[in-house]
Amino acid sequence: GQNIDQPTEMTATEGAIVQINCTYQTSGFNGLFWYQQHAGEAPTFLSYNVLDGLEEKGRFSSFLSRSKGYSYLLLKELQMKDSASYLCAVSADNYGQNFVFGPGTRLSVLP
Amino acid sequence: GAVVSQHPSRVICKSGTSVKIECRSLDFQATTMFWYRQFPKQSLMLMATSNEGSKATYEQGVEKDKFLINHASLTLSTLTVTSAHPEDSSFYICSASGLAGGLVNEQFFGPGTRLTVL
Repeated sequence: GQNIDQPTEMTATEGAIVQINCTYQTSGFNGLFWYQQHAGEAPTFLSYNVLDGLEEKGRFSSFLSRSKGYSYLLLKELQMKDSASYLCAVSADNYGQNFVFGPGTRLSVLP
Repeated sequence: GAVVSQHPSRVICKSGTSVKIECRSLDFQATTMFWYRQFPKQSLMLMATSNEGSKATYEQGVEKDKFLINHASLTLSTLTVTSAHPEDSSFYICSASGLAGGLVNEQFFGPGTRLTVL
């Protein structure tokens, strides 16, 4: 089966750094996506990893270890507007189309 | 980036009626469109995958006679919730992938449709 795990909720302080972990067990792997979703809105793309290592994009970085089935999203210099749900999604089939979404992590940034 | 629209953004209907939701890729050809449902404080659950010109592939547990999906062109897919009931109230999100110039397996999400069935 397909299984993706993330912490349900996290809290951090404005200006701090937070790491959101994602572990996955899927039948196939064609890349891992991180999305940000504010309540009542569609997910927006943050990052993509298909090879092992760190991808950096401004305040956001994402890491992947395929052998461990593990990824994390790192958010630096947290801002209040970063309060949102963060979804880990694995592109799991051979054609790389179907996504399996994790349960999402609700991040609250406090002043 | 690639833009996907959904219409309507919100709909309230009476129990037993049918509701149609449109999903359009505005600036690229979407060879594949996906329909998701999201309940409050939960993640996205894939309902079905549709490729232009062919029948949709439904996920286990999703009734294809209740959730009718049509993908008649490379820019339009529709989801019709037939004989809607209060338990169908949810946030429905479509996404599209195809010739958008981005990652080959990237999905671009629409803004979602909030359905409330009274």
